[in-house]
Amino acid sequence: DQQVKQNSPSLSVQEGRISILNCDYTNSMFDYFLWYKKYPAEGPTFLISISSIKDKNEDGRFTVFLNKSAKHLSLHIVPSQPGDSAVYFCAASKGSGANNLFFGTGTRLTVIP
Amino acid sequence: EAGVTQFPSHSVIEKGQTVTLRCDPISGHDNLYWYRRVMGKEIKFLLHFVKESKQDESGMPNNRFLAERTGGTYSTLKVQPAELEDSGVYFCASSQDLGLWQFFGPGTRLTVL
Repeated sequence: DQQVKQNSPSLSVQEGRISILNCDYTNSMFDYFLWYKKYPAEGPTFLISISSIKDKNEDGRFTVFLNKSAKHLSLHIVPSQPGDSAVYFCAASKGSGANNLFFGTGTRLTVIP
Repeated sequence: EAGVTQFPSHSVIEKGQTVTLRCDPISGHDNLYWYRRVMGKEIKFLLHFVKESKQDESGMPNNRFLAERTGGTYSTLKVQPAELEDSGVYFCASSQDLGLWQFFGPGTRLTVL
């Protein structure tokens, strides 16, 4: 039973435009959410996170939005750059001290120069 | 500072054989985690060590999987006997403190024929 879902397996965006990656979750006990970025032959690397007490967190070109009532979060990348091309995983946790991350299936982002 | 390393990077074995995967965490990280990604699916938690103790092995699929962390440094994950459905990428992660700030290794791609 998958508790974190990324329904778009792939996304292509022109360089300079906005990339929006979406994630839905089903477990209302999740209160911490993360985005990881993964290049081929490498492990996932942490990108940005958000606590459920916030609805937005921004770090440079990356912004994560959380809609708790809809159990939905999204990652916005503006402007998109070719180096952003990677697989992006959404992950959720029951608390910031939890040991167990629940991941989505990933979305492959391709930024076209 | 070296990151999380995993060995081997790839392993191809036949059904019924045994395979042992190794993970070396970041030096000083007491927490070590194993995850698995089966083709096209989500990354799933397998288990968590604190030093040499198993804290949570709720994600281990069955008793064909055995994880150890003798001495609290590197960890091994043995699959015996391997089945076709064990194919996937096995990720190891480590963290200094319990929680979300997990650093992932590049993974071991296991193919069972």
